Amino acid sequence: EPEVTQTPSHQVTQMGQEVILRCVPISNHLYFYWYRQILGQKVEFLVSFYNNEISEKSEIFDDQFSVERPDGSNFTLKIRSTKLEDSAMYFCASSADGGGTEAFFGQGTRLTVV
Amino acid sequence: GENVEQHPSTLSVQEGDSAVIKCTYSDSASNYFPWYKQELGKGPQLIIDIRSNVGEKKDQRIAVTLNKTAKHFSLHITETQPEDSAVYFCAAATYQAGTALIFGKGTTLSVSS
Repeated sequence: EPEVTQTPSHQVTQMGQEVILRCVPISNHLYFYWYRQILGQKVEFLVSFYNNEISEKSEIFDDQFSVERPDGSNFTLKIRSTKLEDSAMYFCASSADGGGTEAFFGQGTRLTVV
Repeated sequence: GENVEQHPSTLSVQEGDSAVIKCTYSDSASNYFPWYKQELGKGPQLIIDIRSNVGEKKDQRIAVTLNKTAKHFSLHITETQPEDSAVYFCAAATYQAGTALIFGKGTTLSVSS
């Protein structure tokens, strides 16, 4: 069964450092998403991406965040200067279509900022 | 924007009992309502979804009902099993390109044998 894969599974970084979280969406999907989940809290939308541009972003997705599809398979989330409050589980998801169709989630990257 | 409320936050049942989790949403434009199951250390996995053109959908032991007028939807799990133990999230979305899923806060379901 096709799946969304994320690397690394766990990343520890110093406050102020840049991190890049990587995702390989399902190959025939067109829409890509990043969500985050702070420990014990709900899953929160960060950004959606389609046709090489951002479709929608939340208030959380400020200038410290950026997304990119550097090649035909990877989808990345960059945090330029990490803060302690960026510590969370980050999930990548993809869907074949826009809203109203199944979004498949990856297993997540646990980001710990120290 | 959309806001999704989910209750209860925790639910404990005996194996074989039914479990019901309820969600309400605020944006009448939302028309897609998925339910996700999240097991420890894993990403959310879709278990069932419903669109606003139907009132109920069933898949084996799992069913979802939707009341558009009242803006609430519910997940029903019958004949619960220990492997149903997980965190369940409801979500709401509007059918348009790249739209976000807005999640509820989750319900931790514990099924004891």
